[in-house]
Amino acid sequence: AQTVTQSQPEMSVQEAETVTLSCTYDTSESDYYLFWYKQPPSRQMILVIRQEAYKQQNATENRFSVNFQKAAKSFSLKISDSQLGDAAMYFCAYSDTGTASKLTFGTGTRLQVTL
Amino acid sequence: DGGITQSPKYLFRKEGQNVTLSCEQNLNHDAMYWYRQDPGQGLRLIYYSQIVNDFQKGDIAEGYSVSREKKESFPLTVTSAQKNPTAFYLCASSPRPTVGNTIYFGEGSWLTVV
Repeated sequence: AQTVTQSQPEMSVQEAETVTLSCTYDTSESDYYLFWYKQPPSRQMILVIRQEAYKQQNATENRFSVNFQKAAKSFSLKISDSQLGDAAMYFCAYSDTGTASKLTFGTGTRLQVTL
Repeated sequence: DGGITQSPKYLFRKEGQNVTLSCEQNLNHDAMYWYRQDPGQGLRLIYYSQIVNDFQKGDIAEGYSVSREKKESFPLTVTSAQKNPTAFYLCASSPRPTVGNTIYFGEGSWLTVV
């Protein structure tokens, strides 16, 4: 079974600075998808960024970008120019190519943004 | 507004009772999912449905049941067989049950056993 590991339970960043959240995963598949979801205090899950494993290029969405290292099975999220609204739980998730869009989640990283 | 509506937001259950959490979507999505979230943990998949009248067990289906009689509705019943049902429950949907599709989440329901 696939597993997703987030080794940083909490991270802190100053406003306008850059922070990187780590994620590693384990799979025997060669093709799959990786996601970062944000969960603010409202608890609703919001998709931040999505990466397709067969694509070499790292995904970017405005201030959010990933560093996808397929051989190392690493998928880190970089948040640039951090804003107070970025404070939330961040979950890394994996989806294989079996059936449906079933997601396997990591345990999350709580990001604090300070002034 | 298009979206996924979960109700109730908060639900209290006495031990030994079955309760049903509602999930309705008006996004015309084919696939729907139920996830459970416990404190300090990520989400775990309970059940998913790719089409009407069909559903499959996820990783933690024991003590839960679902139905998919209509495309827009995917209710989850937490039965008395679920030993530790207190948790946050999230319903989700995606346009097609093909892998890699973005999954959209509802706002969740809190279930507490009293």
